[in-house]
Amino acid sequence: GAVVSQHPSRVICKSGTSVKIECRSLDFQATTMFWYRQFPKQSLMLMATSNEGSKATYEQGVEKDKFLINHASLTLSTLTVTSAHPEDSSFYICSARDRGRPNSPLHFGNGTRLTVT
Amino acid sequence: EDQVTQSPEALRLQEGESSSLNCSYTVSGLRGLFWYRQDPGKGPEFLFTLYSAGEEKEKERLKATLTKKESFLHITAPKPEDSATYLCAVQAGAGGTSYGKLTFGQGTILTVHP
Repeated sequence: GAVVSQHPSRVICKSGTSVKIECRSLDFQATTMFWYRQFPKQSLMLMATSNEGSKATYEQGVEKDKFLINHASLTLSTLTVTSAHPEDSSFYICSARDRGRPNSPLHFGNGTRLTVT
Repeated sequence: EDQVTQSPEALRLQEGESSSLNCSYTVSGLRGLFWYRQDPGKGPEFLFTLYSAGEEKEKERLKATLTKKESFLHITAPKPEDSATYLCAVQAGAGGTSYGKLTFGQGTILTVHP
């Protein structure tokens, strides 16, 4: 089945530093990947849509200069949290759909737990 | 704006006690309704996709149904390993650069006691 790999699974960083999270589709190609954020005991909130070869589309209220997204290939999207602050601590999850199967479900990575101290 | 509301927020069952989870939605042009299971500290795991009212899907002890306004996830004779958060999500039919994105409900936390 379709597998989405996310790395790292956990990261702790100091306030003011930047953190990069990778999302890879292992056995399929994805023109579009989605980045979600989940706070404790809350549901997934879409942050941005990552489009291969073009600029990402950000949801309302999400700062594009703070959450940098790069989708350089059909199997890799990266999310960089710049100048992280404690309020950015959250569970970040990426998802992707096989571009060869447009009606297939989104498959999710196992998330990255970010803690900013 | 697409909206998804799940109820109850939390559900505690005894092993073998069947029940249902509800997902109410409003969306402009439903392309698909999805059920996912999420274990603590993990990403959502796909369960079902439903596309049109009247459709039903089954997998082991789970059965998902869909009407024009809501979906139900029926759990028959649950076991402790069914304990998880169950998430409902909708995909709208509108186009644009965010085409294909899912809007999630807040989830139902299911706990099955032995």
